[in-house]
Amino acid sequence: QKEVEQDPGPLSVPEGAIVSLNCTYSNSAFQYFMWYRQYSRKGPELLMYTYSSGNKEDGRFTAQVDKSSKYISLFIRDSQPSDSATYLCAMSAPETSGSRLTFGEGTQLTVNP
Amino acid sequence: GAGVSQSPRYKVAKRGQDVALRCDPISGHVSLFWYQQALGQGPEFLTYFQNEAQLDKSGLPSDRFFAERPEGSVSTLKIQRTQQEDSAVYLCASSLAGRNTGNTIYFGEGSWLTVV
Repeated sequence: QKEVEQDPGPLSVPEGAIVSLNCTYSNSAFQYFMWYRQYSRKGPELLMYTYSSGNKEDGRFTAQVDKSSKYISLFIRDSQPSDSATYLCAMSAPETSGSRLTFGEGTQLTVNP
Repeated sequence: GAGVSQSPRYKVAKRGQDVALRCDPISGHVSLFWYQQALGQGPEFLTYFQNEAQLDKSGLPSDRFFAERPEGSVSTLKIQRTQQEDSAVYLCASSLAGRNTGNTIYFGEGSWLTVV
């Protein structure tokens, strides 16, 4: 079983929809939780970062972490065609090598105009 | 440059050929990571450097994979006797600090390796 599980999709939604992406994990040492966006043939770019449990909002994006359930979510409001990309959840523990990242498989999202 | 730079961007290698992939991290960044991303998968950790010291190489899949960062800046990932299963995107990432909280790691655009 992988340390981080993420539904790979693909997910296709109409423009303006609310998108919900999520990951589950098994390693209780994870303290830092990230969402990366990766466009085709590009490297991952950091979208959201959360430390420990809680919510964080940035514009149309909201990240939630529930450490008791080992479950994290990313919500995208008023989705746009430019949001079409692969979304990767990533996690790290403070005592591992430079806090190396453990990624989920990625969810491929398409927002249709 | 301002970001993490990787070269070559695309490489086609014949099976059995040796390849070398280069990473130029952001200037002054202490930490450097290599990840392997197979098609349709998330990146998988390969190795970690803090300055010139390779502190973790637990993710290297076989002894055909070798990484170095001799002067604590540029890093090279070398793959000997390439196999078809080595076909993937190789991502380099760097961070200013030796200990990171996860929100300060910057990725390059990757080197796309296809072994035929």
